Amino acid sequence: DGGITQSPKYLFRKEGQNVTLSCEQNLNHDAMYWYRQDPGQGLRLIYYSQIVNDFQKGDIAEGYSVSREKKESFPLTVTSAQKNPTAFYLCASSRSGTPDAFFGQGTRLTVV
Amino acid sequence: AQRVTQPEKLLSVFKGAPVELKCNYSYSGSPELFWYVQYSRQRLQLLLRHISRESIKGFTADLNKGETSFHLKKPFAQEEDSAMYYCALRSWNQGGKLIFGQGTELSVKP
Repeated sequence: DGGITQSPKYLFRKEGQNVTLSCEQNLNHDAMYWYRQDPGQGLRLIYYSQIVNDFQKGDIAEGYSVSREKKESFPLTVTSAQKNPTAFYLCASSRSGTPDAFFGQGTRLTVV
Repeated sequence: AQRVTQPEKLLSVFKGAPVELKCNYSYSGSPELFWYVQYSRQRLQLLLRHISRESIKGFTADLNKGETSFHLKKPFAQEEDSAMYYCALRSWNQGGKLIFGQGTELSVKP
């Protein structure tokens, strides 16, 4: 069953801690993206990767880091430097040269 | 600047009424526009793209370059259309990222 999977669905973090959100896809897509979804603000791009071992900052990359060691995986780390980390995070993937993006179910991160 | 604007946060209509969700964009060049939908407890998914000129679930959207708009329309709303709708513009200068509007929540009442 092809798709894009994010885990966990809900995540709680204490202030000052780093936390990593998982995103895995078995669609053989080259490009992967991380978006942050806040009420009334739509989705904003955090990081994207078009190919293994390469990634670029999006519009709101501060306080976040990513890696792309495998084509299937694009984990996002929310560091303690992110001032307002509580949000809904969406991972997406697409084939290079095509516009369709497939989204994961999302991870809701809450800082307590 | 590349931007997508959805002026309505919430749109509430009765079943059977026509629906129009507004989307305006700002983009230098030839835009590639999409509508995405997020039903309750489901993942965000593509509804339609302007390049296909298709009708999905009774929805259509026409690109109007003169007015820089890509409004989503349906002649007769159904209760199952209730969802969050996002208009998106594909940007070619950041890995093909999608620039999203703020989203419009459509509520169709019985």
